Amino acid sequence: SYVLTQPPSVSVAPGKTARITCGGNRIGSKSVHWYQQKPGQAPVLVIHYDTDRPSGVPERFSGSNSEHTATLTISRVEAGDEADYYCQVWDVSSAHWVFGGGTKLTVL
Amino acid sequence: QVQLVESGGGVVQPGRSLRLSCVATGFTFSNYGIRWVRQAPGKGLDWVAVIWYDATITYYAESLKGRFTISRDNSKNTVYLQMNSLRVEDTAIYYCARFGTRNTDAFDLWGQGTLVTVSS
Repeated sequence: SYVLTQPPSVSVAPGKTARITCGGNRIGSKSVHWYQQKPGQAPVLVIHYDTDRPSGVPERFSGSNSEHTATLTISRVEAGDEADYYCQVWDVSSAHWVFGGGTKLTVL
Repeated sequence: QVQLVESGGGVVQPGRSLRLSCVATGFTFSNYGIRWVRQAPGKGLDWVAVIWYDATITYYAESLKGRFTISRDNSKNTVYLQMNSLRVEDTAIYYCARFGTRNTDAFDLWGQGTLVTVSS
């Protein structure tokens, strides 16, 4: 089955840029979505189709996808961005929706 | 208000059954598919099941081995997840989430989740 690999944690100081990676075999050929989940809350879509921001998501959030790594970039990080972030793809080979293991973003 | 609301969770003994519901409001329900996703305590997200907007297509995670059944009633704006032969490892928060008409569509709207605890 298809596997998405994320770092367990990323730490960043306020005002700096956070980059959260999502590795997968030829992930560049798939559409990647990113979700933010704050403690005790449901996930929220923050990036879809690699680079697109849903309405209401700050421009500070951006995404990219190439070859074997997709990246969620959060610019000018704020304390309110502290959350778990998950990447997700559709794997046609297994006919399954696959999530990465999640990355905990800590704002120092 | 555009939202999904899950219900039906609770504490159940191993081997018993439970039916979860996901009610949609604020949008044309019959235009959207629904996926169930679960999250075990302190763990990540796992996709469970999906049903297309017209109920013609359903998929299940292989690990469920036929124990779960997803269905929908568009006249009631509701999707159901029938869970049979529950196991301790099924303990999780169960979320329903909306998608469009393509497998590649994101989960663009989530409910608040309902907690299922399987314990003797």
